[in-house]
Amino acid sequence: QKEVEQNSGPLSVPEGAIASLNCTYSDRGSQSFFWYRQYSGKSPELIMFIYSNGDKEDGRFTAQLNKASQYVSLLIRDSQPSDSATYLCAVNRGGGYNKLIFGAGTRLAVHP
Amino acid sequence: GAGVSQSPSNKVTEKGKDVELRCDPISGHTALYWYRQSLGQGLEFLIYFQGNSAPDKSGLPSDRFSAERTGGSVSTLTIQRTQQEDSAVYLCASSPLTDSLHFGNGTRLTVT
Repeated sequence: QKEVEQNSGPLSVPEGAIASLNCTYSDRGSQSFFWYRQYSGKSPELIMFIYSNGDKEDGRFTAQLNKASQYVSLLIRDSQPSDSATYLCAVNRGGGYNKLIFGAGTRLAVHP
Repeated sequence: GAGVSQSPSNKVTEKGKDVELRCDPISGHTALYWYRQSLGQGLEFLIYFQGNSAPDKSGLPSDRFSAERTGGSVSTLTIQRTQQEDSAVYLCASSPLTDSLHFGNGTRLTVT
């Protein structure tokens, strides 16, 4: 079992719809959770992080965390073609530094 | 200010040769990380530096891989006797100790 699992996709959604990206992790001791966006040929860029159970909203993005289910998700409202990218889920198990364990990513395609 | 800078951006080398990859982190960032991303895969942790020391080298795949950091700034990742399976994008990231990672644009290494 991989430590961080994501559906590879592609997830195809129409412009204006809500895109829902999911991630599960295996280590119950994980403490913080990150979503990165990576355009083809580019480096990952941070979208959001979340530490506590529940929802965290930032503009069109909402991160959701359920530690009991070991599940974290990212919702993108009003999806735009420019959101088309690979979304990487990453988990920090703690230990005083930010060693992130990444999933393989979900490719999102938003079509006009 | 300037972001994380990596050089070269592309490197093609023959199997068996040694290569050096350079990372210049964001000024003042004490933590520095090296990751590797193979085609279509997520990011694989290699090594973490805090200042000039490397308390976590657990991701280095073999003793052909080594890294150093000098002056609490520039880091060099060295791969000796390169193999074709070393072909990947090598990404460097820096951060204040426990803040989120800022990635460079990576070095694409191709071993022929």
